[in-house]
Amino acid sequence: EAQVTQNPRYLITVTGKKLTVTCSQNMNHEYMSWYRQDPGLGLRQIYYSMNVEVTDKGDVPEGYKVSRKEKRNFPLILESPSPNQTSLYFCASSPGTGSEAFFGQGTRLTVV
Amino acid sequence: AQTVTQSQPEMSVQEAETVTLSCTYDTSESDYYLFWYKQPPSRQMILVIRQEAYKQQNATENRFSVNFQKAAKSFSLKISDSQLGDAAMYFCAYRSLFSSNTGKLIFGQGTTLQVKP
Repeated sequence: EAQVTQNPRYLITVTGKKLTVTCSQNMNHEYMSWYRQDPGLGLRQIYYSMNVEVTDKGDVPEGYKVSRKEKRNFPLILESPSPNQTSLYFCASSPGTGSEAFFGQGTRLTVV
Repeated sequence: AQTVTQSQPEMSVQEAETVTLSCTYDTSESDYYLFWYKQPPSRQMILVIRQEAYKQQNATENRFSVNFQKAAKSFSLKISDSQLGDAAMYFCAYRSLFSSNTGKLIFGQGTTLQVKP
């Protein structure tokens, strides 16, 4: 089944404790992105990648890191999480220009 | 920079009736894509419909259709014969075709649709 898989679905952590949210897609898509969803703000892009080893900042990249060592994987790293990073996170992939994005199931992150 | 605005935080509709969700956007580009996504309580983001800006014909998918007004930069979603399963948050989104921006979907704030039995 074609899908984007994120893990974990839920995560509660403490301020400053490094964490990684994994994302994997099995559709051989070139484009992958991370978004955060906050009430009243919609989804905002954190980082995106157009191909292996090619990443770029989105609208809200502060406090996040990404890497794209393989085409299928695009992990999101929070080196030192803070409470303002409490949010719902989505990973998405798409095959090319103009195509719709396919989303993972979302990760609900709470930083206390 | 492109922006997308959904001015209706909440809407409600009676089952079997028709409802229209509004979306406006701002861009200086001439070619782009527009999307409507549905997010039910399960949180999954589901594509409802998409529109290519170079196509004048409005996209339709079963009970869902759009009214795309390129000059007015408006992209509304009409849901006909509303069903209880249509209750969700709906997001309007814009995607550029230019290589420097095409990796990004720009979303509106979302509209929560309630369907009353």
